[in-house]
Amino acid sequence: DTAVSQTPKYLVTQMGNDKSIKCEQNLGHDTMYWYKQDSKKFLKIMFSYNNKELIINETVPNRFSPKSPDKAHLNLHINSLELGDSAVYFCASSQDPGLNYGYTFGSGTRLTVV
Amino acid sequence: AQKITQTQPGMFVQEKEAVTLDCTYDTSDPSYGLFWYKQPSSGEMIFLIYQGSYDQQNATEGRYSLNFQKARKSANLVISASQLGDSAMYFCAMRERNTGNQFYFGTGTSLTVIP
Repeated sequence: DTAVSQTPKYLVTQMGNDKSIKCEQNLGHDTMYWYKQDSKKFLKIMFSYNNKELIINETVPNRFSPKSPDKAHLNLHINSLELGDSAVYFCASSQDPGLNYGYTFGSGTRLTVV
Repeated sequence: AQKITQTQPGMFVQEKEAVTLDCTYDTSDPSYGLFWYKQPSSGEMIFLIYQGSYDQQNATEGRYSLNFQKARKSANLVISASQLGDSAMYFCAMRERNTGNQFYFGTGTSLTVIP
């Protein structure tokens, strides 16, 4: 069974559309994250949720909205997509507290806005 | 200031040789964890190795070892006996206790193993 599953793996859409990326983890982890990886491979945190509560919300356009219906799910909804939103989006989870717990990443969603 | 610095954007190594990927970190928190992740061309992020700030010995996982020099704030990844499948991006990351366990990632090093 996949520990952190993201869907879809690829997403091609037109500017102005609204899209969602889903993420589910079956590890029982307390915290889930969304990261954006740009074309230069830089990983930037977007959001972090702990037990359904938002704990990190970096400077991200408010067109991006995370939704956590329960501890195992953290979905990312993007409104009015722009060309600059094209990137790979990673969902991740970790157990907290515990410095020795790393992230378990999903396989990523490659978003292409045309 | 950057929390994690990886100064080698690209590295090449001959197959079967060892290679060291550099990572320095910046923190005033005495409690932190250091991680290395591998990202092959297929895109997934794979956890490789962990080192805790209080660990006395350098971490090892198979062909991977972490050269932890606490006073210099460096956590270099050493890959021994490189294989073609080691060609990938490698990310160093840190997790601090006093920032709510948030992860900080470096900019990555692209490793190419030459046959």
